[in-house]
Amino acid sequence: GIQVEQSPPDLILQEGANSTLRCNFSDSVNNLQWFHQNPWGQLINLFYIPSGTKQNGRLSATTVATERYSLLYISSSQTTDSGVYFCAVSDYKLSFGAGTTVTVRA
Amino acid sequence: NAGVMQNPRHLVRRRGQEARLRCSPMKGHSHVYWYRQLPEEGLKFMVYLQKENIIDESGMPKERFSAEFPKEGPSILRIQQVVRGDSAAYFCASSPRTGSDQPQHFGDGTRLSIL
Repeated sequence: GIQVEQSPPDLILQEGANSTLRCNFSDSVNNLQWFHQNPWGQLINLFYIPSGTKQNGRLSATTVATERYSLLYISSSQTTDSGVYFCAVSDYKLSFGAGTTVTVRA
Repeated sequence: NAGVMQNPRHLVRRRGQEARLRCSPMKGHSHVYWYRQLPEEGLKFMVYLQKENIIDESGMPKERFSAEFPKEGPSILRIQQVVRGDSAAYFCASSPRTGSDQPQHFGDGTRLSIL
């Protein structure tokens, strides 16, 4: 199956800071999604981004499919951004990375 | 426009009992996927179903676990004779059609606790 590696595993931020999360994958894919799992365990769909760049408020993502990586940018972080961020890629069934645990301190 | 609906949100069972988890896909979606998140782990694929068909169950444990998606009604993930190791969050996702270029939409999950 497709291997997905996320880095860093943990990230501690001061409120207002910016950060970049990375996702590397081992094979070409047609689907890449970023999720935020909040402290209540809900999976929030952030981006469907098999290629290119998208922005949604303070979050943006870029996928370079030919080089098999994707980046998630968090700008002006807030405490509500805390949680685990997952990257998942698909050859129809999603393969998830281990996640990046983000803690934003006030 | 309801999203993927899972119920119950929380389910407590004693060892040896049966657990039934339900998933209603988004309106217009005919493809359902189940994933399991064990404590302190990431999410792992379990099974992929279309109406009345199991397409891929390569992630399902060989024993005690089964899944169905009948012509009418929700998809059901059934765990027989539960053990403590079955304690996990079970997520359901749906997509409108097959193909790896379709985003999957997730429900809020069912948290299963085994006493």
